[in-house]
Amino acid sequence: DTAVSQTPKYLVTQMGNDKSIKCEQNLGHDTMYWYKQDSKKFLKIMFSYNNKELIINETVPNRFSPKSPDKAHLNLHINSLELGDSAVYFCASSQDSTEAFFGQGTRLTVV
Amino acid sequence: AQSVTQLDSQVPVFEEAPVELRCNYSSSVSVYLFWYVQYPNQGLQLLLKYLSGSTLVKGINGFEAEFNKSQTSFHLRKPSVHISDTAEYFCAVSKGTNAGKSTFGDGTTLTVKP
Repeated sequence: DTAVSQTPKYLVTQMGNDKSIKCEQNLGHDTMYWYKQDSKKFLKIMFSYNNKELIINETVPNRFSPKSPDKAHLNLHINSLELGDSAVYFCASSQDSTEAFFGQGTRLTVV
Repeated sequence: AQSVTQLDSQVPVFEEAPVELRCNYSSSVSVYLFWYVQYPNQGLQLLLKYLSGSTLVKGINGFEAEFNKSQTSFHLRKPSVHISDTAEYFCAVSKGTNAGKSTFGDGTTLTVKP
């Protein structure tokens, strides 16, 4: 039973398209995150939601919009995709300071 | 704000040799420290964490790390590595109450050769 699951695992799309990545956690955690990992494997937080409320919004283009319909789900919608958006996007969840649980990642390729 | 520096971007070692992956951090407040491992085409998995208490922390797969407050370091060690330890290793620091809001280092690629 996967703790944090993301779909799709791979996503290839053309520039200018709009796409969404879905994330679900079954751990009962209050907080969920989106991270971006670039081609050099640098990992950077993008957003954080706590109980459906946005609490972290790092310097991310407003083409990226997270949506949390409930505390177990945090989806990432991206408008007008650009080549530079190609990366691996990780969803994660945590409860307090113990650890963060990561999904398997979504490899987004914009062509 | 806190920051994390992983001093080695790549560490090649032979199988059964010991390894140390170095991590220094900077923060003006007390922090929580983590090491994560990322196997090829996978998500991150927690190896070990330091929250408080004993400065020597043991994790999964035979890894351990020592928190050194005076040197602001949290180096990861394993006495004898296996081919299967080949992966990307990330040191992370969190000052908040949620571990997910962590600052990650740039990663160290550990390559274990036969």
